[in-house]
Amino acid sequence: QPVLTQPPSASASLGASVTLTCTLSSDYSTYRVDWYQQRPGKGPRFVMRVGTGGIVGSKGDGIPDRFSVLGSGLNRYLTINNIQEEDESDYHCGADHGSGSNFVWVFGGGTKLTVL
Amino acid sequence: EVQLVESGGGLVQPGGSLKLSCAASGFTFSGSAMHWVRQASGKGLEWVGRIRSKANNYATAYAGSVKGRFMISREDSKNTVYLQMNSLKTEDTAVYYCTRPSDDGMDVWGQGTTVTVSS
Repeated sequence: QPVLTQPPSASASLGASVTLTCTLSSDYSTYRVDWYQQRPGKGPRFVMRVGTGGIVGSKGDGIPDRFSVLGSGLNRYLTINNIQEEDESDYHCGADHGSGSNFVWVFGGGTKLTVL
Repeated sequence: EVQLVESGGGLVQPGGSLKLSCAASGFTFSGSAMHWVRQASGKGLEWVGRIRSKANNYATAYAGSVKGRFMISREDSKNTVYLQMNSLKTEDTAVYYCTRPSDDGMDVWGQGTTVTVSS
């Protein structure tokens, strides 16, 4: 099954842009990855899914246009433009693998985004 | 409004059991798979398991860390999915979320219920 790796922290100034990275383990370069936002004290919120061709399907409810994704090689990126205070959150990436009783859903360790 | 509401969390001793519930509303529950995901304090998300719909024979799958101890079931007449947790360990302490998968990702999440395993 894939392993997803995320840097533990990132920071950006109000109004700036930031790109968060989720790296798939080798041999899984074709996998799609989901991004989830988790504000402090809240449950996760679906942002969008990304494959090698970019976004897959639709964004989650209420996700602003400032959020975009890109996929390249083993990396799946989430870019946030014009960062706002409400974007300060933990961001998790996840991917499913296998089928039937061997199905698993794996998550990265999450990246804590601090808005300066 | 599409909504998931978890309940049943609490304090339990190591080796004990607990059953969580997740009540769904606002969508066709019977046609949807359902997943459980947990999060220990200060840690990332960990997938626990999933149950598919009746059309897919209520097939289940579990993370290796809980296989043989946890069981997911559902009661479509009550729009509810359950997580039966047995032989609980201190490392099972976490907030437990239920979530619904869509074609695009897990698009609906509950608010979570807290399970604490401690003597």
